[in-house]
Amino acid sequence: RKEVEQDPGPFNVPEGATVAFNCTYSNSASQSFFWYRQDCRKEPKLLMSVYSSGNEDGRFTAQLNRASQYISLLIRDSKLSDSATYLCVVIQYGNKLVFGAGTILRVKS
Amino acid sequence: NAGVTQTPKFRILKIGQSMTLQCTQDMNHNYMYWYRQDPGMGLKLIYYSVGAGITDKGEVPNGYNVSRSTTEDFPLRLELAAPSQTSVYFCASSYLAGGAIPLAKNIQYFGAGTRLSVL
Repeated sequence: RKEVEQDPGPFNVPEGATVAFNCTYSNSASQSFFWYRQDCRKEPKLLMSVYSSGNEDGRFTAQLNRASQYISLLIRDSKLSDSATYLCVVIQYGNKLVFGAGTILRVKS
Repeated sequence: NAGVTQTPKFRILKIGQSMTLQCTQDMNHNYMYWYRQDPGMGLKLIYYSVGAGITDKGEVPNGYNVSRSTTEDFPLRLELAAPSQTSVYFCASSYLAGGAIPLAKNIQYFGAGTRLSVL
């Protein structure tokens, strides 16, 4: 089983739609969680950290469920510019970062 | 606003050739990392460094070497290039304070990547 698993997609959605991605992790001792965004042929960039109580940043909401070992990212009112690959990142004990393979989002007009 | 700078951006190597991928950061970050990303896959850690003079292996270190003589620079060396090393290579850096590591603060800043083909 992979340490961090994501649905690769692609998720094809119209502008204005709400879309959600899930990410599961296998190591229950994982301590910190992030979502990174990667545009085509570009480097990953931090989108947002994921906090235990859940957190929101504009149209983006991140949730953590430690009992079920998954994190989620919700994007409301999708824009064309949201089209990208979204990488789930988990930090395990010892400051080891593990990246998921990413979920592709395509927002169409 | 340089951040993390990688060179070259693209390179084609023949099997058995060697090369060095350069990475430099101007943010005074103590941690630096090298990742590779194969098509449709997540990033895999090759090597990392927690400070000048200290390096350690990541998940996929075979076929690579690194050095960290200064805080700013973290070059990655391929000694005998193989087709399996065809990939996109990303260098990253982050700052972590000493003592209890604030893991939630381990935000990584990436270079633009080096696309390497070994033929």
